[in-house]
Amino acid sequence: KQEVTQIPAALSVPEGENLVLNCSFTDSAIYNLQWFRQDPGKGLTSLLLIQSSQREQTSGRLNASLDKSSGRSTLYIAASQPGDSATYLCAVSNDYKLSFGAGTTVTVRA
Amino acid sequence: SQTIHQWPATLVQPVGSPLSLECTVEGTSNPNLYWYRQAAGRGLQLLFYSVGIGQISSEVPQNLSASRPQDRQFILSSKKLLLSDSGFYLCAWSIQAPSTDTQYFGPGTRLTVL
Repeated sequence: KQEVTQIPAALSVPEGENLVLNCSFTDSAIYNLQWFRQDPGKGLTSLLLIQSSQREQTSGRLNASLDKSSGRSTLYIAASQPGDSATYLCAVSNDYKLSFGAGTTVTVRA
Repeated sequence: SQTIHQWPATLVQPVGSPLSLECTVEGTSNPNLYWYRQAAGRGLQLLFYSVGIGQISSEVPQNLSASRPQDRQFILSSKKLLLSDSGFYLCAWSIQAPSTDTQYFGPGTRLTVL
């Protein structure tokens, strides 16, 4: 059974600081890894999808890396802003299903 | 463009009462559809998924059921709610199997069972 862990569970940083969010998974036989953002009481918004053959993906201030062999992914958010405050979820795909971590709740202080 | 709707947005129900949550997708055909539950402080748990009308796969045995009466409609039901059914229910869709495509999520339904 795939287990996905996200560390830390919560993170508070001053505006402008870079954010580093970690995700680890136990079964490296994945098809892809995705990062989602969830605002309080809302649904999930897809941020980045990394196919298993890729090492990283970038979108604006966001960069996600994938090391499938070691079962790790890292999401970097450069020059954080208060609008980046949210919960960030990591999910890995095995066949038909996504397995999610519990998320990292980020607070960016103005 | 594609959109996904869920209703109701919030629901408070007594223990033992029935449940019906609805999800519809617009702007795409033959999507894969998913029901997830998110408990406080925990990751999303896949409950059901469907690759076509009338085709439902259950991930977790419990007192919930799902149906897909139309191509773009997915319904989550229960005959008798339990306290443990409280949570945030999310519907999602994807164009292809999750192995190659992301999933797109609806706004969710907050269910409180008292």
